[in-house]
Parts: sequence; C-alpha cells; structure tokens
Amino acid sequence: GDSVTQMEGPVTLSEEAFLTINCTYTATGYPSLFWYVQYPGEGLQLLLKATKADDKGSNKGFEATYRKETTSFHLEKGSVQVSDSAVYFCALTLASGGSYIPTFGRGTSLIVHP
Amino acid sequence: DTGVSQDPRHKITKRGQNVTFRCDPISEHNRLYWYRQTLGQGPEFLTYFQNEAQLEKSRLLSDRFSAERPKGSFSTLEIQRTEQGDSAMYLCASSLTTGLNGYTFGSGTRLTVV
Repeated sequence: GDSVTQMEGPVTLSEEAFLTINCTYTATGYPSLFWYVQYPGEGLQLLLKATKADDKGSNKGFEATYRKETTSFHLEKGSVQVSDSAVYFCALTLASGGSYIPTFGRGTSLIVHP
Repeated sequence: DTGVSQDPRHKITKRGQNVTFRCDPISEHNRLYWYRQTLGQGPEFLTYFQNEAQLEKSRLLSDRFSAERPKGSFSTLEIQRTEQGDSAMYLCASSLTTGLNGYTFGSGTRLTVV
C-alpha cells in the first residue's frame, strides 16, 4: 500500500543551523505531498505542499521539492530557530477511487537549542 | 470561521465506559476525517465522511467504534466499552473534496482509559 518513511528523530540542532528532514514515499499513483508541523498539545498544521513533480513548496523559511525520480520530499530550512522545535510529519494523498485520504509518516521530532 | 473545533480536549474514563467526542469542521469543507494518534506515531486513519455519508472505514475501527455526521456538519465519534488500548489522541480534520489545499486539523481529544 501507499506509505511514507521519515528519518528517525529526534533531530537536535543549535539555533541558526541548517535543517534537513528526509522523507520518501511509496505510492501506486501520482500523489500530492505535504509537510505538517505539530507543536506540543496541539493538532497538525499544514506547513507546505506540492502537487506535481519538481514543484517546490515553501513557507516560513521551510522548503521541500517534489522529486519523482527519487520519490522524495525532503524538508529543509537554512537557519532554524528555537521556536521551530516541534514534530514534523510528511504526508501524501492520492486520488485513489476519489478517496484523497492522507497517509502520514511517523513524524520526526526537532529540538533546537539556543 | 475559527477552524476545526474538537470537544472535549481531554477525557479520562474508566475501562468499560462509553465515550463520545465531537468535531466541528470548517463550515465550507465537505470532507471530515477522524484519525488516531499514539505517542511517537503519526496519525492513523479511522474513517471519513463526505457530507453526511460515511465513505470509508479503516480496519482499525473495531465494532466498538461508531462515527456519525448526521447533517453533514459536525461529527461524533463514539467508543463503546473502552479498553486501555483505546488511550490515544483522536484527531479530526476537514477539507474540500480533493484536499489539495491541505487538511485542517483540530487540536484533538486526548483519551485516557484507566
């Protein structure tokens, strides 16, 4: 079935460091790809998305590029802040029978130290 | 519109009791999803509605679980005869049909079965 694999966390960085969180996917069709962020005690918030190959999603300094050839959607940020500490989820959705049900990875925890 | 609302935020119940959670989606969203999230895991799909019709249920949704969306607006998720393994965060999300603009999540209901 369709699935998303994320790098294991926690990822621990110092403030202003460069961030990469890897995400790869397996899908039977042509998915749309998303990154969500979850702060403690809260629900998931959409961070960015891409709907076709080579699209780059970006928001709040975060970027991810839809790479069909490597089935990847890695999340990057050039300079992280303490406030970026959260759990990040990669997700895909497919128009399988019209369902568009999102499938999520296990999440990667990011801890940023001052 | 204030986003997706879930009630209650926290619920502690004794094993064997019934519990019901409510979700109020974004008013113009015709799709509503229920997910379960346990510690260190990504959200797992339970069921979804398009308007008032329940279109798909996961195998995770045992016979003790039932969900309704009677008028295509708010939804309820009931768990009968709760078990300790039901302890989790229950997340509700809503979207337009294709979800290509993303899925808006509520803050979740944290269930603890003692």
